[in-house]
Amino acid sequence: QKEVEQNSGPLSVPEGAIASLNCTYSDRGSQSFFWYRQYSGKSPELIMFIYSNGDKEDGRFTAQLNKASQYVSLLIRDSQPSDSATYLCAVKSPYNQGGKLIFGQGTELSVKP
Amino acid sequence: DAMVIQNPRYQVTQFGKPVTLSCSQTLNHNVMYWYQQKSSQAPKLLFHYYDKDFNNEADTPDNFQSRRPNTSFCFLDIRSPGLGDAAMYLCATALATNYEQYFGPGTRLTVT
Repeated sequence: QKEVEQNSGPLSVPEGAIASLNCTYSDRGSQSFFWYRQYSGKSPELIMFIYSNGDKEDGRFTAQLNKASQYVSLLIRDSQPSDSATYLCAVKSPYNQGGKLIFGQGTELSVKP
Repeated sequence: DAMVIQNPRYQVTQFGKPVTLSCSQTLNHNVMYWYQQKSSQAPKLLFHYYDKDFNNEADTPDNFQSRRPNTSFCFLDIRSPGLGDAAMYLCATALATNYEQYFGPGTRLTVT
């Protein structure tokens, strides 16, 4: 079992729709969760982080965390073509010094005009 | 203003010819990381520095070395690049209080 799993996609949504990106993790002791956006040929950009159960909203982005189900998601409202990118879910390992992140393989999102 | 800077952005080297990639940061973050990312794959952690303490991942080849002469700078040395080392090399930094990692723009390495 992979430590962090994401659907690889591609996930295709029409412009203006809600895009829902999902991630599950295997280590129940994990405490910190991150979403990165990566455009093709560019480096990952941190767009959301969440530490507590529930929802965290920032503009059009909402991160949702359910530790009991070991599930974290990212919702993008009013999706725009500029949101087309690969979204990486990352979980901070609770067992290592230095904040090592365990990355999922990423979900490719395509927003169609 | 760029906060994590990587130089060069593109590097071409010959098989077996040593190469050094650099990373600098203006965030005064005490943790610095080096990742390797190949096409359609997740970033793979090579090593990190917690202040001056060097931490190597168990599966990082000996061919990869790193130096951190001060808080702001960190270098990745590839002693004898092979064709399989062609990749994007990413530097990231974080504060030890929250470990939110911020990436530089990356260096695209080509090995001929």
